[in-house]
Amino acid sequence: EAQVTQNPRYLITVTGKKLTVTCSQNMNHEYMSWYRQDPGLGLRQIYYSMNVEVTDKGDVPEGYKVSRKEKRNFPLILESPSPNQTSLYFCASRPLGRELAYEQYFGPGTRLTVT
Amino acid sequence: KQEVTQIPAALSVPEGENLVLNCSFTDSAIYNLQWFRQDPGKGLTSLLLIQSSQREQTSGRLNASLDKSSGRSTLYIAASQPGDSATYLCAGALGAGGTSYGKLTFGQGTILTVHP
Repeated sequence: EAQVTQNPRYLITVTGKKLTVTCSQNMNHEYMSWYRQDPGLGLRQIYYSMNVEVTDKGDVPEGYKVSRKEKRNFPLILESPSPNQTSLYFCASRPLGRELAYEQYFGPGTRLTVT
Repeated sequence: KQEVTQIPAALSVPEGENLVLNCSFTDSAIYNLQWFRQDPGKGLTSLLLIQSSQREQTSGRLNASLDKSSGRSTLYIAASQPGDSATYLCAGALGAGGTSYGKLTFGQGTILTVHP
């Protein structure tokens, strides 16, 4: 089954404790992206990657890191989480090629709480 | 800065009613527009994708239209059912250059409730 998976689905942590949220897709998509969803602010892009070893900042990258060592995986790293990073996080992927003709597929979300 | 707005923010209708959800965007240089459904506590399910060269797309009881000149898209749901209750989000791939290859700009969503 074609899908985007995220782990963990729920995470409660404390300020300053490094964490990683994993994202994996089995559709051989080149493009992967992370979004966060907050009440009243909607979904905003954090980082994106157009292929292996190619990453770039989205609209709200502060406090986050990403890596793309393999095509299928795109982990989101919070080196020193803070309470303002409490949010619902989504990973997404899509193929490149015919420009923007393809829809994006989203993972199930990771609900992160930083105390 | 590109903005996507959805009206209404919430909508409650009786079962069987036809309804329209609205989405507007500020930049007519849109590449595509995608409608999603989000159930409480769940991820996003893609409903329809309209490319900039298209005017509408249909899937079952859903029909989405795109009017670039007016900066609007609508999602029409025919014969609504309680199972249609969810938040509906529109998102546009806007702008130019490399970042347009995937970045979606989302509206705030419309919370739809269909009551029996």
